[in-house]
Parts: sequence; structure tokens; C-alpha cells
Amino acid sequence: KAGVTQTPRYLIKTRGQQVTLSCSPISGHRSVSWYQQTPGQGLQFLFEYFSETQRNKGNFPGRFSGRQFSNSRSEMNVSTLELGDSALYLCASSLEYRDANEQFFGPGTRLTVL
Amino acid sequence: SQELEQSPQSLIVQEGKNLTINCTSSKTLYGLYWYKQKYGEGLIFLMMLQKGGEEKSHEKITAKLDEKKQQSSLHITASQPSHAGIYLCGADPTGNQFYFGTGTSLTVIP
Repeated sequence: KAGVTQTPRYLIKTRGQQVTLSCSPISGHRSVSWYQQTPGQGLQFLFEYFSETQRNKGNFPGRFSGRQFSNSRSEMNVSTLELGDSALYLCASSLEYRDANEQFFGPGTRLTVL
Repeated sequence: SQELEQSPQSLIVQEGKNLTINCTSSKTLYGLYWYKQKYGEGLIFLMMLQKGGEEKSHEKITAKLDEKKQQSSLHITASQPSHAGIYLCGADPTGNQFYFGTGTSLTVIP
């Protein structure tokens, strides 16, 4: 079965722009979580979606938002990009809500903000 | 503040040597996960520990959970270049969100 896919893999944007990242979970998985990884802050939880509803949110400003579609695919959006948003964005899917035991990660989207 | 602190931050070892990575939680642990990440890529699940005193092994990697000390250790025996990468512990101590440790970068010199 296909793994978690993320598109695009690499992205370069300039400050002030907005960006949308996409995550397709493993078939049958209903939960998608997003994480931001930077050298300074490490890996930090952004939000988790289950059945098209945001269930948990990390400590990120409102510029970071997301959604989940009926087919469980998820997108995250960052508006008014700042230099500090440059990071590797990882999504993970699991069968059920908060099922960390079966959390599979995608390869990530590397975002560079210039 | 970091919920999960890992030590050491980085390790450089000669191939064949044993090594240990520690993960300490500021909160009570009800379960702890270990992941490996190759640089710039996604995470690979290694193992999960649920009970105090639990020990699991996979190939040359062994992990233990000490609930009283709120700590877990990951031990690699006879390290190989394929073990190189970033090791991350993870847990959900608050019940609200999943936290990752600060990470340990491992380099294995052939």
C-alpha cells in the first residue's frame, strides 16, 4: 500500500506570500497530523485533523491553518510568510484519532522563505 | 520549554562501538516512542514502550522505559554506518498533543 505523500517536496517563496502544502494519507487512514521542523525549535506539533475536524492545535499563530477533506487528504496553509517559517513540514497519518502507535510520516515539504 | 530533553545532542562513534541515547520527560510518561530520521526526510517509527520497565529490541537497537525516572534510553550495539541519522523520542504526556524530543544526531565513522 502506498505511503504518505506530500506535495510539493520543495518550495521557495518570498516574505509576505502565502503557501499551501498538501498531504495524502495512507489509504484508510482518517487522522492527519502536521509538524514543523526547524534547526532551532526541533520538531513541533502544528495540528491534527480527524474526520474533517481539527482536533488539536499546537502553539502557532493564526497564519497557520489547515483543513481536511472528506477523502482524508489534508492541506495546510501559511499566510503572510516570514523568514522564520522556513522549515521542513512533515505530515503523518494514522488510522484513528491520536493513534501515535500507528503514525506514519511522509517525506516532508522543504519550504524556504526568502 | 521542552517537554522531552534528549542527550547527547550529537554523537560521533566509530563503527562497531556501542552507544546510548537518553530521553527525559518533564511530565509523567504513559508511553514513549522512538523514531529515526535520515537528514531532511520523514520519520521512521522504531518502537513504542508502554509500561515501566518495558524493554524492546529490534535488530541491534534496544529501548527501555523507566517510568519512575520519567526517562527512556535507546541503546545501539555494534553500530554501523546505516544507523546514522537523527534519533527522536516522542510522547503525549499531556494528552493534548504529541511532543518530540530535542533530537540526537548520530554519525558513524566507517
